[in-house]
This record gives sequence, C-alpha cells and structure tokens, in this order.
Amino acid sequence: GAGVSQSPSNKVTEKGKDVELRCDPISGHTALYWYRQSLGQGLEFLIYFQGNSAPDKSGLPSDRFSAERTGGSVSTLTIQRTQQEDSAVYLCASSLTPDQPQHFGDGTRLSIL
Amino acid sequence: KNQVEQSPQSLIILEGKNCTLQCNYTVSPFSNLRWYKQDTGRGPVSLTIMTFSENTKSNGRYTATLDADTKQSSLHITASQLSDSASYICVVSALTGNYQLIWGAGTKLIIKP
Repeated sequence: GAGVSQSPSNKVTEKGKDVELRCDPISGHTALYWYRQSLGQGLEFLIYFQGNSAPDKSGLPSDRFSAERTGGSVSTLTIQRTQQEDSAVYLCASSLTPDQPQHFGDGTRLSIL
Repeated sequence: KNQVEQSPQSLIILEGKNCTLQCNYTVSPFSNLRWYKQDTGRGPVSLTIMTFSENTKSNGRYTATLDADTKQSSLHITASQLSDSASYICVVSALTGNYQLIWGAGTKLIIKP
C-alpha cells in the first residue's frame, strides 16, 4: 500500500497479558516513530528508529515496553504484562528522512480490561 | 526546557469564517516547524513544514507563518468548511543528533454550520 499500515486496528485484552502491535512503514522511509495518544490528549513520543542507528528509547514509559524494527522496515511494539493505564491509541509514523514530514498510520486502539 | 504551547485549547466558529491558531515555542537549536491536522480517529496529516528562513507557507486554504525571532507561529484557515473540524497540532524539530520533535497539545477546532 501507499501509506503506513498498522495492525490490528483494535485490540482488546485482559490485564496482565502481552500484546504485539505491528507497523508497516512506507517503503524506503528510513525513520520510524511510535507514539501513544490517550483519549482527548496530545501525542506522547515512545521510540524512534533511524536507519541502522541505535533507537531512541527515551519515551518508553517502563521496561514493560519494547520495540524492534527488523530489516529496516516492519516494526513491532510489544507491551508485556499489560496494565489498564496502557489503554490508548498507539500510532506509528514514518518519514523519508528525519527532517521530512511524518506520515502516520491510523493507529491501533488498545483496550485493557 | 524545549516546549511547544498552543492556543486556544479549543475553538468553535461558524462555517465560512476565518480563524487563526497560535503556536509559541522555546526550542533550541531550531530546525523546522510543522503543522499537522488530526481528524477524529485518524492519524495526523502534515499540512506545512517551515525552516528558519521561511516566513509564510500556504497549503490551499491553510496559511502558516513563522517568526523565528519571537519564536511564534500561526496557522490561518480561510473560509472554513465543516471538514476543517479537527485538532491542529504544532510540532517543532530541534537540531539535535536525533532530530528531536517537540509536540504541542493541539487546538481542537469545531466548525458549525
């Protein structure tokens, strides 16, 4: 596809379970970002991948959160032992280079029961 | 501390009217400033991106201005349409090694018929 694709679009799970969220960036984009957005709030930066450089993990809220980007393309955000406060929309974005505008997917809406 | 502040927090105007949204920032060193539009339930979409040397940039009915001396930007919407109802987010990029992006909380704009 032409845009950033995220899956699943919705995820409902029980507290304590692990979840994996997937992001397919636009082909050729070297930069990939993960954000979290709670209802009615602004975007919260989580993690940033740029090429083969070590990712910027400064926004990850706890060690339950991790992300990887395989082969410089697809990225997976993993949340272990989910808590109710993890409920939010998780947005992925990619850009051709870091100084170019980001293109966003429509997010994964995560609900923790 | 790098910060981006937007005002007003929310705004309601009648269809066909113009409006101006404000963004003040304290980001150094400055790289560029971006405006995004986020429709409800969707990821943000880039409207404009401006570098230090650019004072004005237009995208259809949207016109962004930048005053790098006072560290202020505005987004002017002309002849508003119902589809302009969205959150408008100001983002400033810092010229650091990892192109840090500082996100504003957004202005929620509602256009009424």
